[in-house]
Amino acid sequence: DAKTTQPNSMESNEEEPVHLPCNHSTISGTDYIHWYRQLPSQGPEYVIHGLTSNVNNRMASLAIAEDRKSSTLILHRATLRDAAVYYCILRDWDFGNEKLTFGTGTRLTIIP
Amino acid sequence: DTEVTQTPKHLVMGMTNKKSLKCEQHMGHRAMYWYKQKAKKPPELMFVYSYEKLSINESVPSRFSPECPNSSLLNLHLHALQPEDSALYLCASSQDTLAGVSYEQYFGPGTRLTVT
Repeated sequence: DAKTTQPNSMESNEEEPVHLPCNHSTISGTDYIHWYRQLPSQGPEYVIHGLTSNVNNRMASLAIAEDRKSSTLILHRATLRDAAVYYCILRDWDFGNEKLTFGTGTRLTIIP
Repeated sequence: DTEVTQTPKHLVMGMTNKKSLKCEQHMGHRAMYWYKQKAKKPPELMFVYSYEKLSINESVPSRFSPECPNSSLLNLHLHALQPEDSALYLCASSQDTLAGVSYEQYFGPGTRLTVT
């Protein structure tokens, strides 16, 4: 399974942008990069995913390096509700089935 | 409706009990998943169902038995569990599992299982 590396924890001030890094040096050409987050006492929540180009949605932006060995999740204006564990995941393809293998994630703390 | 529901929310069972966890989605998704999450750890994939057929079993012990009675429903039957099986059990669904495409997974809130 492809692996990702993330910092264990990060802090950010409320209403500031947050850049969450992820390294995935063993990524293959068909691996999609997914980001999920998990708020306390909840199931994981999809944030964004991409393959090669940068992606934007209402929650966040995903910036993918040109060599695809790293990516950055950008929260444009952090709120207290964004405090969560953020998982960067490479989508595996296993005999015609998509599977997500979660890494240890980054615990994001938002400072009021 | 983008909701995955799971019942029960909490379950306490003895090692000799038989119980079932239930998961339901009405988004027309054709792929459904069971994950196990221990405290302060990331979710770990257990099973994948695609078009109501079991397609991935991540070497899960036979005391966990999944079932997909129809495209909206996923069950996890539990029998003779051990205390170390205590965890949060998460269900998820995604639109499909087509080659060359990747879909987001929608997760339920989970069932917190305690085995005594």
